[in-house]
Amino acid sequence: AQSVTQPDIHITVSEGASLELRCNYSYGATPYLFWYVQSPGQGLQLLLKYFSGDTLVQGIKGFEAEFKRSQSSFNLRKPSVHWSDAAEYFCAVGPMDSSYKLIFGSGTRLLVRP
Amino acid sequence: KAGVTQTPRYLIKTRGQQVTLSCSPISGHRSVSWYQQTPGQGLQFLFEYFSETQRNKGNFPGRFSGRQFSNSRSEMNVSTLELGDSALYLCASSLDPGPNSPLHFGNGTRLTVT
Repeated sequence: AQSVTQPDIHITVSEGASLELRCNYSYGATPYLFWYVQSPGQGLQLLLKYFSGDTLVQGIKGFEAEFKRSQSSFNLRKPSVHWSDAAEYFCAVGPMDSSYKLIFGSGTRLLVRP
Repeated sequence: KAGVTQTPRYLIKTRGQQVTLSCSPISGHRSVSWYQQTPGQGLQFLFEYFSETQRNKGNFPGRFSGRQFSNSRSEMNVSTLELGDSALYLCASSLDPGPNSPLHFGNGTRLTVT
């Protein structure tokens, strides 16, 4: 079955500290991989995506993610967290066809301590 | 350029009623997707439309339907509302179908069924 697992429901980090959000997926074929962020009362904003090529992808707002095929993981990282990064983060996978039928993880809520 | 516009932002309905939600994509975008977001089930894919044709449908009952107009605007309809239909309904648009075109989300319509 196709699924996306984000094992951490909440994560709290201090401002300026590094961040890693975990994402594991189960998919029959090589999928497209995405990270989205959602602020309260807002829709989702794309942080970054992976299709192929370099397994380390850079996104907006200083985020990056690394695709590890052997571990079926696509973890999101940021070297120094800002208070404005507090939000909910979603990992998603999609098929490698012309479709946007995405499967989302359950999300990780990031809290930032001043 | 205006973003994805969803109307109304908030809606309260009673069980058994029907509801229509509207989505205006970013100008020039031809593909529209709909997602349901609930605390229990998370983000789930509802439909995807391109050129007035439904390309994909998620695992939802027939009470959920949608359509896309020639100007790419989309509507989704839920008939015979149930309490479990209470959710944030998110619309997203992209230039073309598939993950090569970034997906832009609206801020959603919050539906409450009483």
